[in-house]
Amino acid sequence: DTEVTQTPKHLVMGMTNKKSLKCEQHMGHRAMYWYKQKAKKPPELMFVYSYEKLSINESVPSRFSPECPNSSLLNLHLHALQPEDSALYLCASSLQGAVNQPQHFGDGTRLSIL
Amino acid sequence: DAKTTQPPSMDCAEGRAANLPCNHSTISGNEYVYWYRQIHSQGPQYIIHGLKNNETNEMASLIITEDRKSSTLILPHATLRDTAVYYCIVRVAYDKIIFGKGTRLHILP
Repeated sequence: DTEVTQTPKHLVMGMTNKKSLKCEQHMGHRAMYWYKQKAKKPPELMFVYSYEKLSINESVPSRFSPECPNSSLLNLHLHALQPEDSALYLCASSLQGAVNQPQHFGDGTRLSIL
Repeated sequence: DAKTTQPPSMDCAEGRAANLPCNHSTISGNEYVYWYRQIHSQGPQYIIHGLKNNETNEMASLIITEDRKSSTLILPHATLRDTAVYYCIVRVAYDKIIFGKGTRLHILP
C-alpha cells in the first residue's frame, strides 16, 4: 500500500477528450511531482510543485496542464493528447523537496490514448 | 545529476543476500546516493539513501566506498517479492530525481 493515492488507476480516452488525473497525499508533504513512464523505460520527470507553486516544468507540451489546488492535492489536466502520450503517469511527494528527503510514489494512472 | 552505471540484470537465489552494485564515478561531495525499486505494475518504492556513511534500515543496507565513486545495495535475505527493477540515483539538484536504466533483479526459487 502507498500513502500517495492516484485516481483513476486506468484511463482510456480519445484524442479529443478532456480528462484529469488526481493525486492526493496526507503526509504533510509540501513538494509534489508528476512523472511519465513509458513501457520498459525509467520514469521521467514532468513537473514539480513546491509549496503549491510550479517550480519545474521539464519542457512538457501544453496539452498537459498541472494544477496544485492545495498542499494535499495535485491534478494533471489532459487535453488533445496524442497516441504517443499513452504511458503510466506517476505522482510523488516529499517533505520539502530537499536533496536528503526521499520522494514517495503512488502506483500511477495507466493512460491509453485511442 | 551525476550519471550512474548499473548492470542491466542480476539473479539471486531466494534466501541469499542480493548485492546490487552501482558506479557513480563523477559524484560530487554534496550528492546523495539513493536507491529505489519498482515492482511490476507499481510505482517506485524508496529503499534507502546515504551521503558518505554506510546506512541500514529495515529493508536494506547501503555500502558506499570511501572515495564515494561506487556503492552497493544489500538485501540481506532475498525473497521472491524482491523481484523488481532497482534504480541507483545520485541526486544533487533540488527537487529533481533522474532515473537511470536500473538493474532488473530476479530472485530464483
